[in-house]
Amino acid sequence: GEQVEQLPSILRVQEGSSASINCTYENSASNYFPWYKQEPGENPKLIIDIRSNMERKQTQGLIVLLDKKAKRFSLHITDTQPGDSAMYFCAASEGGLSGKLTFGEGTQVTVIS
Amino acid sequence: GALVYQYPRRTICKSGTSMRMECQAVGFQATSVAWYRQSPQKTFELIALSTVNSAIKYEQNFTQEKFPISHPNLSFSSMTVLNAYLEDRGLYLCGAREGGDEQYFGPGTRLTVL
Repeated sequence: GEQVEQLPSILRVQEGSSASINCTYENSASNYFPWYKQEPGENPKLIIDIRSNMERKQTQGLIVLLDKKAKRFSLHITDTQPGDSAMYFCAASEGGLSGKLTFGEGTQVTVIS
Repeated sequence: GALVYQYPRRTICKSGTSMRMECQAVGFQATSVAWYRQSPQKTFELIALSTVNSAIKYEQNFTQEKFPISHPNLSFSSMTVLNAYLEDRGLYLCGAREGGDEQYFGPGTRLTVL
């Protein structure tokens, strides 16, 4: 099955700087890569996703990059704010109804004021 | 918008007893429902994936005998944790999809086993 590795597990950044999280996957058939943000006591919320027909996607201070050759994708949070402090999870899926999501181990992001 | 509700939000059960949790999709048709467990300090483990009109597929280490799932229609699913023990504690999440790739998660049911 799919395996997703996520690094780093802990990330502390200064407010206003960028935070980057990297994930790698093994299954070349994976074609859908969502990112979830989970705040303490809350469910994970989809914040951005990218499909295999794209290399870059940007929305509201978030950038995701996908390198299919290297089976690597990353999340970049630009101009971090205290509200960006949370756990972030990457995931990979073959897509479609029967495509299961395999999650990375998570990154605890703390934005320091 | 697409919303997923889960109840109860928190539950405590005695070791060896069973606990049923429910998942409801509102605003979309939950054609596919996945149940995950997030154990303390861990990521999300997929328990099983249920797609309407298909058999429920359980992941390795999870069985129908331990985690029976019902997905009777496009808005509801339930899962029971039978004979719960300490290692079953955690946050149980329901993720539902309509037809695309996006999976929407409910708030989870947090299970504590005494």
